[in-house]
Amino acid sequence: GAVVSQHPSWVICKSGTSVKIECRSLDFQATTMFWYRQFPKQSLMLMATSNEGSKATYEQGVEKDKFLINHASLTLSTLTVTSAHPEDSSFYICSARRASGTGETQYFGPGTRLLVL
Amino acid sequence: GESVGLHLPTLSVQEGDNSIINCAYSNSASDYFIWYKQESGKGPQFIIDIRSNMDKRQGQRVTVLLNKTVKHLSLQIAATQPGDSAVYFCAENGDNQGGKLIFGQGTELSVKP
Repeated sequence: GAVVSQHPSWVICKSGTSVKIECRSLDFQATTMFWYRQFPKQSLMLMATSNEGSKATYEQGVEKDKFLINHASLTLSTLTVTSAHPEDSSFYICSARRASGTGETQYFGPGTRLLVL
Repeated sequence: GESVGLHLPTLSVQEGDNSIINCAYSNSASDYFIWYKQESGKGPQFIIDIRSNMDKRQGQRVTVLLNKTVKHLSLQIAATQPGDSAVYFCAENGDNQGGKLIFGQGTELSVKP
C-alpha cells in the first residue's frame, strides 16, 4: 500500500512553455500533498504544501504565480510550472501524507525530471 | 531549515559489512524522524521511522538510533548488500508545521561487491 505516482516521469520543453505535473495517491486518500524540487547531488527542497480544497502554502522564496498548485481531489495534486526557463530544470518530487499510527509519514512519488531548453 | 549542499558525504563499505549512516538534526522540538533511501533517478523510499519517546527501533536489517541529548540520529544497515547502494536522507518534523518534513543533506552509500 501507500503508492504514489507521478506523470510524466520526464519532460523536455522549450523555454517559455508551461508544464503540468500530476501527483496521485493510488491506494489511499491524501488530504495533504507536498511538492519538492531536487537539484543534482542535493537534498530535497520543499516548495509548497498542498491541501485538498484549499490554497497551497508556499515556502519562502517560491513564486506562487510561477508554480501553480491545484489539489482538486483527495488523490490528485498538480504542479504547473508556468513560462518555464532553463533554471527551472530540476527533479520535481511529490509526496502524500497518509494518516497512520504516526500521522506524519510521507510517501513519495517517483519524481518528474524536467529539462527546459 | 533547508539543507543545501553541493557535495554529498559518502560512505563506502564492503558487501556483507554493517553500515552506519549518521545524521545531526536541527530542531530540538522535533519529535518524529524518518530515514529515506533514494536510488538514482527515483523518489525517496521510506525505510524506518522513530518517535522521540524511543531511542531505538529495529526493522528488517535496519536499526535506527536516536540520541536526543546531542540531536543525533543514525541508521544501521546489517549485512550491507549492493542493492543498498543509494543516497540516504534523514528527515525530522521540526515544529510540526502542517506535517512538513525537514530533510538532512543526505549520505551516499556505495557498496563494493
